[in-house]
Amino acid sequence: AQTVTQSQPEMSVQEAETVTLSCTYDTSENNYYLFWYKQPPSRQMILVIRQEAYKQQNATENRFSVNFQKAAKSFSLKISDSQLGDTAMYFCAFSHNAGNMLTFGGGTRLMVKP
Amino acid sequence: ETGVTQSPTHLIKTRGQQVTLRCSSQSGHNTVSWYQQALGQGPQFIFQYYREEENGRGNFPPRFSGLQFPNYSSELNVNALELDDSALYLCASSLVGQGGIEQYFGPGTRLTVT
Repeated sequence: AQTVTQSQPEMSVQEAETVTLSCTYDTSENNYYLFWYKQPPSRQMILVIRQEAYKQQNATENRFSVNFQKAAKSFSLKISDSQLGDTAMYFCAFSHNAGNMLTFGGGTRLMVKP
Repeated sequence: ETGVTQSPTHLIKTRGQQVTLRCSSQSGHNTVSWYQQALGQGPQFIFQYYREEENGRGNFPPRFSGLQFPNYSSELNVNALELDDSALYLCASSLVGQGGIEQYFGPGTRLTVT
């Protein structure tokens, strides 16, 4: 069974600075998908960024980028130029098939301070 | 916001009762997944429906059951409610088999069992 671990329950960052959230996972699969989801307080969970394991290039979406280390089974999220609206719970998730069951980590609560 | 909707928003039930939660998937999606998110934790996969058939199930007892309808909307039914069933129930839709990779989440139903 796959497991996803987020070792930072809470983090804070000053507005406009950069923060990195950590995620490790365990799987015996070679092909799979990794995701970072954002869940703002009392709001819907939305996808931030995704990475297909067969792609060596790290995914980037505007201020959000990942550092995908397949051999180390590590998938960290870097948020550049942090904004107050980035305050949320962030969940790392794993799927071994496109569109199928997601295994989530326990989440990291990120607070962006003005 | 995604195109996934859920009803009701909040629900209070008594231990031993039964509850039905509803989800309308994003237009064009053929798969619905249900997750249970206890307070302060990551979502846990309950089951997934693809073309009206159960297509995978997590570690939840049989009193958790579901349906998917021809229009791809879905219901989650929980019988004999227990106090530990208190949680946020999330549904997510995806397009399996046609290149869809990520899941799109609804706002959730907050269930409280007293």
